[in-house]
Order: sequence, then structure tokens, then C-alpha cells
Amino acid sequence: GEDVEQSLFLSVREGDSSVINCTYTDSSSTYLYWYKQEPGAGLQLLTYIFSNMDMKQDQRLTVLLNKKDKHLSLRIADTQTGDSAIYFCAERSGGYQKVTFGTGTKLQVIP
Amino acid sequence: SAVISQKPSRDICQRGTSLTIQCQVDSQVTMMFWYRQQPGQSLTLIATANQGSEATYESGFVIDKFPISRPNLTFSTLTVSNMSPEDSSIYLCSVQHGTGSYEQYFGPGTRLTVT
Repeated sequence: GEDVEQSLFLSVREGDSSVINCTYTDSSSTYLYWYKQEPGAGLQLLTYIFSNMDMKQDQRLTVLLNKKDKHLSLRIADTQTGDSAIYFCAERSGGYQKVTFGTGTKLQVIP
Repeated sequence: SAVISQKPSRDICQRGTSLTIQCQVDSQVTMMFWYRQQPGQSLTLIATANQGSEATYESGFVIDKFPISRPNLTFSTLTVSNMSPEDSSIYLCSVQHGTGSYEQYFGPGTRLTVT
């Protein structure tokens, strides 16, 4: 079955870049997503990338996809304290609507 | 994006009772999903609900425990039946929306505590 793994915790200083990594196992993944969850809140869709793309940039966010290694990363430039949250990677399997979520990475931004 | 609302936002229930969670979307969507997020955990898909057909449940979830209704393209309910403390979780409604339905959005969640 599908499996999506992330490191549990990342700490960065305000103004630095953050890189959150994700690995997945399903080679038929079509879309890969990044979500943000702040304490006590629902999930906010940050960005997503189609599996035939290598990179997608959206303001401070850059998504890199290495399909050969099944590795996805989210880079947040100029990280702010408001970026402190849990970030979930998710993948959507080809031909199937199910989206499988990673374990989540808690990002702590130190002022 | 789709705007999704859920009711109630939170509840405290006694074991053995049932709670029905409502999900309302501001536009018509074909596919709606119900997820569970246990404390400190990731999201687990409970079932997929398409309008006009029976919900499709994931392994480990059954209709008797989590009956779902999908009466139209903007609304769904999830009932958590015969609750036990292990059902204490956040329950999230989700929809696929947008061109090609690539984007998946989530409601704010219903925080359920079973005592």
C-alpha cells in the first residue's frame, strides 16, 4: 500500500530558509500536496505539484520533486514565526481518488 | 477554492451515544471524503462519499460504526455510533475541487471527546 514518510520535527531561525522533506512509495502517484495545520485549526492547502513536474514555485514556497527517488521537498524562504505549524505531505494515487497523508513535520521558528 | 463548514465544531459525548457531524460545501462537488485525525497523529481516510451511491469505506472502518449520508452535491453527514473513548479524534470533511479536481480542501474539523 501507499506509505508517506516525513521527519517529525524541524527547528529554524526566523529569516532562514526551511526545507521539509517527504518520501513516498507509490510510483503511480499523480499529484503531491503540501498542507499546513496550525494548532487547533483544519488543514490549509499550500501548494501541489503534478508528478511530471520537477519544481513549482509560489511566492516564498518552492516544491521540488524527484520522481526517480520518490522524494518531495517544500522550501520556505525567509521563514517567519507565522510559519510555525505542522506540515503534511500527501500523495494522490493514479487512477484512484484516495489521498494518503504523511506523518507530519512540526516546524518551529525561533525568533 | 471551496469553502467548507462543519457542525458541530467540537463536542463532548458520553460513551455509548452517537454523534452526527454535518459538512456543508459552498459549491457542488462530486466527491466528498471523511478523515479522522487522532491526537498527535496524521490523517486517516474513513470513507469516500459520492452523491447517489453508497459510501466506500477504507480498511478498518465499517458502515455500522460510521454511517454516512450524501443526499446532494453540497452536503454530507458522518455519524460516529456507539462511541467509546478511542473515538476521541478530530473528524474532517474534505472535497476535491477545481479544474480537474486536483485540489483537495478540508473543513475546519469537528473535535470529538468521548468520556
